[in-house]
Amino acid sequence: DAKTTQPTSMDCAEGRAANLPCNHSTISGNEYVYWYRQIHSQGPQYIIHGLKNNETNEMASLIITEDRKSSTLILPHATLRDTAVYYCIVRVNDYKLSFGAGTTVTVRA
Amino acid sequence: DAGITQSPRHKVTETGTPVTLRCHQTENHRYMYWYRQDPGHGLRLIHYSYGVKDTDKGEVSDGYSVSRSKTEDFLLTLESATSSQTSVYFCAISSTSGGPNEQFFGPGTRLTVL
Repeated sequence: DAKTTQPTSMDCAEGRAANLPCNHSTISGNEYVYWYRQIHSQGPQYIIHGLKNNETNEMASLIITEDRKSSTLILPHATLRDTAVYYCIVRVNDYKLSFGAGTTVTVRA
Repeated sequence: DAGITQSPRHKVTETGTPVTLRCHQTENHRYMYWYRQDPGHGLRLIHYSYGVKDTDKGEVSDGYSVSRSKTEDFLLTLESATSSQTSVYFCAISSTSGGPNEQFFGPGTRLTVL
């Protein structure tokens, strides 16, 4: 699986959009970009995934660059409950996840 | 929320004792996984199962064994617990392989080995 690079931490103001970057320059053509988050002491929670096109669901939007070497997860209106560690994972079509350190996002009132 | 429970939720044990953690699902999903989470390491895959009686090793399987005798239960056993196995253990399930899928995680078991 391709390696990913994420910032260690970032702050966001409540009500504003949070933009979380992820670099995956070695991604191969059949690898998907997944995002999970982990709220303190809980199990990770799936957010969204994409291959080439931008994706949106009720939780977030995923923007993937045309060369697929980086992506951005957008939380459109961050709330205090979005404070969590966010994991960007690039994975081939198999069933084993590999979590790195992720980005610790703190939403401030 | 996906129907995944883990038991016990907390356990304190002594070095050298056997420990079994249970993961139970009500979703009838084929795939089940055990991860451990330690500070600075994210989540690391211990073992996984792709069907009843079908299991395989993950990246940190030494010192652990698993069993899956029925679809809904996946057991993780520490035959002789060591202090290095103090961790938070998460079980996860997923329904498919070979394509994009999401894993659903349980609430975790906090294990302390003294």
